[in-house]
Amino acid sequence: AQKVTQAQTEISVVEKEDVTLDCVYETRDTTYYLFWYKQPPSGELVFLIRRNSFDEQNEISGRYSWNFQKSTSSFNFTITASQVVDSAVYFCALSGDSNYQLIWGAGTKLIIKP
Amino acid sequence: DTAVSQTPKYLVTQMGNDKSIKCEQNLGHDTMYWYKQDSKKFLKIMFSYNNKELIINETVPNRFSPKSPDKAHLNLHINSLELGDSAVYFCASSQGLRVYGYTFGSGTRLTVV
Repeated sequence: AQKVTQAQTEISVVEKEDVTLDCVYETRDTTYYLFWYKQPPSGELVFLIRRNSFDEQNEISGRYSWNFQKSTSSFNFTITASQVVDSAVYFCALSGDSNYQLIWGAGTKLIIKP
Repeated sequence: DTAVSQTPKYLVTQMGNDKSIKCEQNLGHDTMYWYKQDSKKFLKIMFSYNNKELIINETVPNRFSPKSPDKAHLNLHINSLELGDSAVYFCASSQGLRVYGYTFGSGTRLTVV
């Protein structure tokens, strides 16, 4: 069975702090994709990144970075120098060759205080 | 030009009514989905259509009926609305059966009173 666990229900930090959102996944598929989505208070779901199982290189996009480690089945997301606009619910998700849908984590609510 | 558009954005209705939510995508994708997001933000897939064919039909009350007149449209009709149907409903689309990422609509907030 496939599963995505986001153990942190809610994180609250002060602006400019760095923050890491954890994501641990389970799958028996050899080929799979991992995703992060952002849901700001306005409610829309915004795609952030997709990673395939054969690419373990870390990704950096501005203040955002992702650390994919197959050895620990983790795909963690770090925001450096956080800003109030980063406040949102962040979802990690997984899709594998054995199914036709995304498996979603429960989400982590990130609160950035000014 | 919105890629995945849902209408209406807000829907307030009384218990027992029948309502529909419409979804259209102009991305040329061949797979479309309906998701329900509850008050705890948990996302649950309801249906998926690929080229107008139903491929995912999760355990959803049969009061919910999707309809895909063509691959650019996937509508959701709900009969005999109940209080527990109150949620945000998201439409999404993707290319192909393998999921390389969704494009989501902006959501429809359904409130049943």
